[in-house]
Amino acid sequence: QSALTQPASVSGSSGQSITISCSGTSSDAATYHLVSWYQQHPGKAPQLLIYEVNKRPSGVSDRFSGSKSGSTASLTISGLQTEDEAVYICCSYAGGNTFVVFGGGTRLTVI
Amino acid sequence: QVHLVESGAATEKPGASVRVSCKASGYKFIAYYLHWVRQAPGQGLEWMGEINPRNSETKSAQKFQGRVTMTSDTSISTAFLELRTLTSEDTAVYYCARYRDFGSGSYYDFWGQGTLVTVSS
Repeated sequence: QSALTQPASVSGSSGQSITISCSGTSSDAATYHLVSWYQQHPGKAPQLLIYEVNKRPSGVSDRFSGSKSGSTASLTISGLQTEDEAVYICCSYAGGNTFVVFGGGTRLTVI
Repeated sequence: QVHLVESGAATEKPGASVRVSCKASGYKFIAYYLHWVRQAPGQGLEWMGEINPRNSETKSAQKFQGRVTMTSDTSISTAFLELRTLTSEDTAVYYCARYRDFGSGSYYDFWGQGTLVTVSS
């Protein structure tokens, strides 16, 4: 069981927007503004999309955006494209012995 | 540019040990923590531990304590993960990832390609 809770799957039509939630606890996402998001295509390593809740590294499309309210972080993908089909994984700093926790990942299907 | 290149796939018997390497290039090796994260087939990511190559200090997840050793060799910019007393539940892809620490945002900006470790008799 993952420490952060994500929906197993979401789908959306090409051109639409979708939002993926990531629910944490008072030990991680609620306490720290240190949530990151990763995109993982089949058989590939995760790639950074968002860090510190809503910051995008250079080279990441502005179609990807992040936000947080309380202990729930969200990733929004606008203007869905077929190449966005992947698994999206959230991550939060948790401190202490746990250090870092991940969500179980959300599979995005673009219809 | 930054690259993390891991060693090749390994198949080990239950009870054996495995050692995975992660060679870094394109940046100053001692300037960033390296983390080890694994992913069992069809499962999510699991944090295993970190090493600070500057001073070789390590932290590991409680479930792996006593069974994992993380080291680094600054002369060849390479980090190593050794996992002992393997069981079938250790079958996973093992990733090394460069970690931007708490003060810099706590995230992974570069990942290795992953090493598949299969534990099978």
